[in-house]
Amino acid sequence: GNSVTQMEGPVTLSEEAFLTINCTYTATGYPSLFWYVQYPGEGLQLLLKATKADDKGSNKGFEATYRKETTSFHLEKGSVQVSDSAVYFCALSEVEYGGSNYKLTFGKGTLLTVNP
Amino acid sequence: DAMVIQNPRYQVTQFGKPVTLSCSQTLNHNVMYWYQQKSSQAPKLLFHYYDKDFNNEADTPDNFQSRRPNTSFCFLDIRSPGLGDAAMYLCATSREDGGTDTQYFGPGTRLTVL
Repeated sequence: GNSVTQMEGPVTLSEEAFLTINCTYTATGYPSLFWYVQYPGEGLQLLLKATKADDKGSNKGFEATYRKETTSFHLEKGSVQVSDSAVYFCALSEVEYGGSNYKLTFGKGTLLTVNP
Repeated sequence: DAMVIQNPRYQVTQFGKPVTLSCSQTLNHNVMYWYQQKSSQAPKLLFHYYDKDFNNEADTPDNFQSRRPNTSFCFLDIRSPGLGDAAMYLCATSREDGGTDTQYFGPGTRLTVL
């Protein structure tokens, strides 16, 4: 079935440092790819998405490029802030083999802590 | 301003005592989802409704049921909670059941089973 693997956390950075969170996926077809963020005490919210190969999603200074050749969707930000401290989930959406409904499959999440 | 609302935010129940979690939405979305998220794990889809059509995941235990009486509300019923059912339960909605659609999540209900 479909799966998402993202780098294990926790990740601790100083403010203004460069951030990369790696994400790779396994899927049978052409999934859509997402990054969701979960701030403390809140639900998940969409950070960015890309729906086809070579698309770049971007939001709030974060970027990720859909790389079909490496089945990857790594999240990057050039200069993190304390307010970026959260759990980040990579996810894909595709119909699973034998199924008929789109399903969002998440990675395990990466906890990011940014220190002032 | 809230779009997906979950009540209560924290629920404590006893082993084997039925419990119902509630979700409502102001987005008028067609699709509503229930996820289970255990500590330090990815959210796991339990089931979803497309309008009134119910779609159960193959590995969702029979202990978990859901009701959607109208577009705005969806309930998760756990008939006989076990200790292993302690988790965060997330409700989400999307406009359509398509692969590119964004899912909008509520804040979650944290369930404790004593």
